[in-house]
Amino acid sequence: SQELEQSPQSLIVQEGKNLTINCTSSKTLYGLYWYKQKYGEGLIFLMMLQKGGEEKSHEKITAKLDEKKQQSSLHITASQPSHAGIYLCGADLDSNYQLIWGAGTKLIIKP
Amino acid sequence: DTAVSQTPKYLVTQMGNDKSIKCEQNLGHDTMYWYKQDSKKFLKIMFSYNNKELIINETVPNRFSPKSPDKAHLNLHINSLELGDSAVYFCASSLPLAATYNEQFFGPGTRLTVL
Repeated sequence: SQELEQSPQSLIVQEGKNLTINCTSSKTLYGLYWYKQKYGEGLIFLMMLQKGGEEKSHEKITAKLDEKKQQSSLHITASQPSHAGIYLCGADLDSNYQLIWGAGTKLIIKP
Repeated sequence: DTAVSQTPKYLVTQMGNDKSIKCEQNLGHDTMYWYKQDSKKFLKIMFSYNNKELIINETVPNRFSPKSPDKAHLNLHINSLELGDSAVYFCASSLPLAATYNEQFFGPGTRLTVL
């Protein structure tokens, strides 16, 4: 089984609607990174959440870390075409920098 | 079982030395990448190889030279290491670049520290 499960695998959302992507770990999360993949340019860092439970927001994107559930969620409010892409979570599972990666969520925004 | 693996995990070396980081993927992918994670956590692409051929070569010093002995391996060799080379380097692989969204699978990273 995977140490880091990301769901859903893909998501098609009507423009203007809200959506949530989840990242669940089988181990304690010492840090959780959210990235968005921009084609041909590498990954854009969105947010980092640290152990202890945390919530961060940037524009219309909010990420939360639920320590008890060992889970992080990324919530997008009032989705726009610019939100389309692949979202990746990376987790620090043993308190060093090395990251375990989720499989990614492909987000498509329908106009 | 690891899809994309990198070695070493940590690399601490003196300025001026030459070092290599190895990357291997067992996913059968044709395309592999090297990224450098900058201070803002942005994973900046350095190189991309498709079927052992160089596809993307971003503006990086020519002290960095990728080498792909076969489709499953893309190694990064760095000559005359400088302090500014200290960073975390990530390897990744994917299906060919022709796809609109070519999901990339990332290795765990190699932390390079130049003293």
